[in-house]
Amino acid sequence: EAQVTQNPRYLITVTGKKLTVTCSQNMNHEYMSWYRQDPGLGLRQIYYSMNVEVTDKGDVPEGYKVSRKEKRNFPLILESPSPNQTSLYFCASRPSGQPWGEQYFGPGTRLTVT
Amino acid sequence: AQSVTQLGSHVSVSEGALVLLRCNYSSSVPPYLFWYVQYPNQGLQLLLKYTTGATLVKGINGFEAEFKKSETSFHLTKPSAHMSDAAEYFCAVTVIQGAQKLVFGQGTRLTINP
Repeated sequence: EAQVTQNPRYLITVTGKKLTVTCSQNMNHEYMSWYRQDPGLGLRQIYYSMNVEVTDKGDVPEGYKVSRKEKRNFPLILESPSPNQTSLYFCASRPSGQPWGEQYFGPGTRLTVT
Repeated sequence: AQSVTQLGSHVSVSEGALVLLRCNYSSSVPPYLFWYVQYPNQGLQLLLKYTTGATLVKGINGFEAEFKKSETSFHLTKPSAHMSDAAEYFCAVTVIQGAQKLVFGQGTRLTINP
């Protein structure tokens, strides 16, 4: 089954404790992206990757890191989480060079930072 | 840069009534337009999209949307609401130039009254 998976689905942590949210897709997509969803703000892009070893900032990259060492994986790293990073996070993928194409979304990771 | 405005953060209709969710976009180049739906505790799923050609596009679950360039709009409609349509709906835009990122509106939560 074609899918994007994220882990964990739910995470409660404390300020400053480094964490990683994993994202994996099995569709051989080049383009992957991370979004955060906040009430009244819709989804905002954090980082994206056009292909392996190619990443770039989205609209709200502060406080986040990413890496793309393999095509299928695109982890999101919060090195020192803060309460304003409490949010719902989505990973998505699509074929590169096809902005008109459907983005496939993971199920989401709900993060709470206390 | 592209932007999307969804009019109405909450819309409530009766079962069997017309559903109309409004979306206006801003783009200096021809856009690709999308509607995504998010059911509770799930990721986003593509409802329909406009790329080129016919301006009235049909999607899943009886939804359709019309691209009106002169009005910079892409409103989503369904003739008869069903209880299962209760969800959050996001309009989004992208273009073929630059980073080709998907820009989302703020979202509209649709409630169906029995």
